[in-house]
Amino acid sequence: QKEVEQDPGPLSVPEGAIVSLNCTYSNSAFQYFMWYRQYSRKGPELLMYTYSSGNKEDGRFTAQVDKSSKYISLFIRDSQPSDSATYLCAMSVLTGGGNKLTFGTGTQLKVEL
Amino acid sequence: DARVTQTPRDKVTEMGQEVTMRCQPILGHNTVFWYRQTMMQGLELLAYFRNRAPLDDSGMPKDRFSAEMPDATLATLKIQPSEPRDSAVYFCASGLGTGFEQYFGPGTRLTVT
Repeated sequence: QKEVEQDPGPLSVPEGAIVSLNCTYSNSAFQYFMWYRQYSRKGPELLMYTYSSGNKEDGRFTAQVDKSSKYISLFIRDSQPSDSATYLCAMSVLTGGGNKLTFGTGTQLKVEL
Repeated sequence: DARVTQTPRDKVTEMGQEVTMRCQPILGHNTVFWYRQTMMQGLELLAYFRNRAPLDDSGMPKDRFSAEMPDATLATLKIQPSEPRDSAVYFCASGLGTGFEQYFGPGTRLTVT
């Protein structure tokens, strides 16, 4: 079993819909929780991060962490065609060697006009 | 516009050949990561460096892969000999210190026939 599980999709929604993307994890030591967005044939780019449990909002994006359930979510409000991409969750624990990220496999999202 | 650069963008080679991928981290970043991305496994950390010193290469097949940082502006990942199962997209990312924010390059798409 992988440390981080993510539904690969693909997920197709109409423009303007609310999108919910989720990951579960098994390592209770994870402290930082991140969402990366990856467009086709590009490298991932950091979208949002949260430390420990709670919510964080940035414009149309909300990241949510529930450490008791080992479950994280990314919500996208008023989705746009430009949001079509693969979304990767990532998690890390700070060790003596620094922050090593463990990624989910990504959820492919398509927002249709 | 600071960004991570990688060369080549695409590489097709025959089994048994040597492959060298290069990465130029963002100027001033002292941590460099090498990842491999496949559909099945997602993003896997192969190795990372801080201040040019290798900190962890446990994700890398030691018999055929090697990673180096000849200087602060160049990181290399070498595969010798290459095998079809090495076909993947290889990403380099850079960051600062022990911070979790990583900035990814555009990747090298490797196909081994």
